[in-house]
Parts: sequence; structure tokens; C-alpha cells
Amino acid sequence: DSGVTQTPKHLITATGQRVTLRCSPRSGDLSVYWYQQSLDQGLQFLIQYYNGEERAKGNILERFSAQQFPDLHSELNLSSLELGDSALYFCASSVGPDNQPQHFGDGTRLSIL
Amino acid sequence: GESVGLHLPTLSVQEGDNSIINCAYSNSASDYFIWYKQESGKGPQFIIDIRSNMDKRQGQRVTVLLNKTVKHLSLQIAATQPGDSAVYFCAEDTKAAGNKLTFGGGTRVLVKP
Repeated sequence: DSGVTQTPKHLITATGQRVTLRCSPRSGDLSVYWYQQSLDQGLQFLIQYYNGEERAKGNILERFSAQQFPDLHSELNLSSLELGDSALYFCASSVGPDNQPQHFGDGTRLSIL
Repeated sequence: GESVGLHLPTLSVQEGDNSIINCAYSNSASDYFIWYKQESGKGPQFIIDIRSNMDKRQGQRVTVLLNKTVKHLSLQIAATQPGDSAVYFCAEDTKAAGNKLTFGGGTRVLVKP
């Protein structure tokens, strides 16, 4: 158990809809990262927050947004969903902001019908 | 763009033998590297990391070697066990690029009893 908690484990929705994925980092970790894992793209970094502030951005679509709250949990919002958004979404956390081991949750599997 | 070992080969290993998993990275500015293990239905699990000022690091039954000259990373697993069967990913982190892990495509390890 990595200590990172993601909810829900599975999400099934339709095109055009909006969903929110939630992540609770390990106790003591200030940095949260979001990744997308799909069969054709592998694991792709989306965005990083550190102590409530956005720190790094990857290939995150404009339809996607995230935030980190004062209690350090984070949410990833996906809107105007398309079939191609079907994937596993992972959250990871680390103590500090740079060059540190990132510990992953077990992901949310998003299926768009 | 950046790429880290974008292939998914399969390594078949006899139980008790040593395994060597290789990874090529493309960004010579990368300064931190991590190996992850991912089992079916779970998130990537941290195995071992190494910084660019080192060329070897050992953990429990695992050794990571870094060759910056040829941009090559390897993970050695001693006395491979059935529980080692999983997909293994290498990942690189480039602080100057905004601290985003870039993952390779992964290697599937199958341990034969």
C-alpha cells in the first residue's frame, strides 16, 4: 500500500460529460502529480501541484483542470469528455517538489461510452 | 519530444535466475532516474532511484546502473521470484524541464517456475 488514495476506482460515463477524480496524498507529502495511462500513449505526465500551487505542467488538455486544496488533497476535473479520454488516471505524491520518489495510487479507470 | 525506451519487450526468466531490464533515455539533461514495477490492476510501485552523480545503486535484491555516456539505465533483479512478474518502467526527471517524470514504454517480466 503506497499510502496514496484515489477515488473512485472505476468511472463510466458518456461523451460530453464532466467528471472529478479525487486524490489524497501520503501523509506528509506536499506534492501531488497526475498522470494518464493509455494503451497507445503509455504513462503521460499531466500536472503537478506543490503545497497548493501549480508547479509543472505536461501534456494536459485545456478541457482538463486540477487543483490542490489546503488539506493537500487534489482533484482532477475532466470536461467535455471524448472517447479518447478513456484511460487510467493515476495520482502520485512526494515529500518535496523536485527529484524525489513519487508514490502512486492504484488509479481511477475512466470509461467513456 | 522526449522519449524513454518506447518499447514493451517481454523478458522471460527462470525462477532463481537473475534478470536484467534495460532502458534507453534520450534527454542528456536528465538528472534523476527511477524504476517502477506495475502489477495488473495496480499503480506503479517505486523500486529504486538513482541520481545523475552516481553510476550504481543497490537495494534489496535490486541494482540500478546508470551509464550517462550512452544514456542507458538498467535494473538487475537477483534471484528472480514469481512475485517479480510485472511490467517494469524506467522514468527520467529533468529538473530544468519542470520536474515532470517521463516514462518509458515498459518491459514485461514473466517468471517461469
